[in-house]
Amino acid sequence: DAEITQSPRHKITETGRQVTLACHQTWNHNNMFWYRQDLGHGLRLIHYSYGVQDTNKGEVSDGYSVSRSNTEDLPLTLESAASSQTSVYFCASSGGTSQETQYFGPGTRLLVL
Amino acid sequence: QKEVEQNSGPLSVPEGAIASLNCTYSDRVSQSFFWYRQYSGKSPELIMSIYSNGDKEDGRFTAQLNKASQYVSLLIRDSQPSDSATYLCAVIFAGGSEKLVFGKGTKLTVNP
Repeated sequence: DAEITQSPRHKITETGRQVTLACHQTWNHNNMFWYRQDLGHGLRLIHYSYGVQDTNKGEVSDGYSVSRSNTEDLPLTLESAASSQTSVYFCASSGGTSQETQYFGPGTRLLVL
Repeated sequence: QKEVEQNSGPLSVPEGAIASLNCTYSDRVSQSFFWYRQYSGKSPELIMSIYSNGDKEDGRFTAQLNKASQYVSLLIRDSQPSDSATYLCAVIFAGGSEKLVFGKGTKLTVNP
């Protein structure tokens, strides 16, 4: 069955370290999205991609980067982790029309000490 | 700025009752509307999508859309304790390039 996976599921890191969160989907979807979810803020869009070599900034992109070298993967990199980036991170994908559902991965819990 | 507003709750209903969840959005020409359910510690999962004015029913769930009033709701009939979760309203705004804008969610508790 097609799915979307994230790794690691839990991560503890230190301030200033570079961290990469993986997202892999087997839906063959063109669109992929990264969100963070925090109490009081709901889900906020970090970066998104509409296809290979395409990346775009979302609402809260500062301190994050993505690259899209193939259809299946959209890794999220925290260039220099900050305590404010402690959050739950969700990856999602969709098929490419305005009426397509976004399917979410299981999430990664990141703690920055 | 594109915004989606939900009553944060918590909303508490007895088992078997109708739960009514409401959502308003800021752009009258928005096209696509979604309700996601999120259990504690889990990822959001789609319950309903609705694109045109009126009601859309799927089992115990009914989504209602009124574009003139910029209002979308989710009704859960015969509520069960397993429906206890946070419900997220999400909108794709016109010109929003398939990006979902989420409300902050309403926490629902169904009491046995």
